[in-house]
Amino acid sequence: EPEVTQTPSHQVTQMGQEVILRCVPISNHLYFYWYRQILGQKVEFLVSFYNNEISEKSEIFDDQFSVERPDGSNFTLKIRSTKLEDSAMYFCASSVRGAGGFDEQFFGPGTRLTVL
Amino acid sequence: AQKITQTQPGMFVQEKEAVTLDCTYDTSDPSYGLFWYKQPSSGEMIFLIYQGSYDQQNATEGRYSLNFQKARKSANLVISASQLGDSAMYFCAMREGGKLIFGQGTELSVKP
Repeated sequence: EPEVTQTPSHQVTQMGQEVILRCVPISNHLYFYWYRQILGQKVEFLVSFYNNEISEKSEIFDDQFSVERPDGSNFTLKIRSTKLEDSAMYFCASSVRGAGGFDEQFFGPGTRLTVL
Repeated sequence: AQKITQTQPGMFVQEKEAVTLDCTYDTSDPSYGLFWYKQPSSGEMIFLIYQGSYDQQNATEGRYSLNFQKARKSANLVISASQLGDSAMYFCAMREGGKLIFGQGTELSVKP
């Protein structure tokens, strides 16, 4: 069964450093998402991406964040200068359809980011 | 204002019994979708069940069913015949545009 994969599973970084989180969405999916979950809290939407453009972003997704689809398979989230409060689980998700389509979003296993 | 509300931070259920996890939502859009995801202690998000606002019948997937009451704006998850492996966090979510908006979650503990 196809699945979303994410690497690394756990990343530890120093405050102020740049990190890149990687995701490989399901191959026939067209819409990609990043969510984050701070420990013990709910899952929060960060950004959606379609046709090589950001479709929607939340207020969390400020200038420190960027997303990219550098090739036909990978989808990345970059945090330019990490802060302590960026420590969270980051989930990548993908779906066949976007807004107006009510198919499920398939989530990857997550990358746990720890900022020291 | 909260768009998805899960009022039960934690629930206990005896193995083999049924349990209902509550979820209420708020939207003015006539067309929307509601989802339930399970998050075990390992952290991954597992899709369980989906209900569309125009669906005439309540959704069912194996031991999971969704008690959808549109007028009350509630979409409660019913798990029948609970198993020890059902112990996890359960999140209700609503599709708004392209994104999912999640509730705070309910931690379900199944007792042997």
